[in-house]
Amino acid sequence: NAGVTQTPKFQVLKTGQSMTLQCAQDMNHNSMYWYRQDPGMGLRLIYYSASEGTTDKGEVPNGYNVSRLNKREFSLRLESAAPSQTSVYFCASSEDPTVNTEAFFGQGTRLTVV
Amino acid sequence: SQKIEQNSEALNIQEGKTATLTCNYTNYSPAYLQWYRQDPGRGPVFLLLIRENEKEKRKERLKVTFDTTLKQSLFHITASQPADSATYLCALDMDSNYQLIWGAGTKLIIKP
Repeated sequence: NAGVTQTPKFQVLKTGQSMTLQCAQDMNHNSMYWYRQDPGMGLRLIYYSASEGTTDKGEVPNGYNVSRLNKREFSLRLESAAPSQTSVYFCASSEDPTVNTEAFFGQGTRLTVV
Repeated sequence: SQKIEQNSEALNIQEGKTATLTCNYTNYSPAYLQWYRQDPGRGPVFLLLIRENEKEKRKERLKVTFDTTLKQSLFHITASQPADSATYLCALDMDSNYQLIWGAGTKLIIKP
């Protein structure tokens, strides 16, 4: 079992460029999440998908879009990257958060926007 | 707004001693609280979950307490080892059950 796999691990973008961060989980989890982590701050939720076919905004959705491609895959797209989006991005999944289950995280994508 | 506070300063503990980390929150009444461990360059890893009606929970050398009156959770590592060195994060649920509120984490350093 690979768990949650994110690609790429590192990326440098120029301001205005676009890119898609990929995430896949092999645990048959219903819910998937995208977070960003900045120094001195807690993880902040960008978007989440409670189940296949649904997506919802989190705390900081501006500048991002997501696609729940199927039960396994949840991608995050930056349409026009800005320096403020420099961060470490984590994808996570959980079986069913309504029963308070733990979240499993990928290894992260370190994104720098110059 | 909801706020979670964890010690921003690193906690230095001698090997073999008990490490105690604090998670304080305001303006919220969470149904449960989770603790995660994060190593440099890695994603958080789940350690323990404690519900609002539980006072204490244990797992091997780990113990978590949850005081809803004080709005505080304490995370203890007994007989600490250098391998326990990491950043520890606490997270509280929100009403929706799909969104967790996260603390910034406390860096724990266990010295041999």
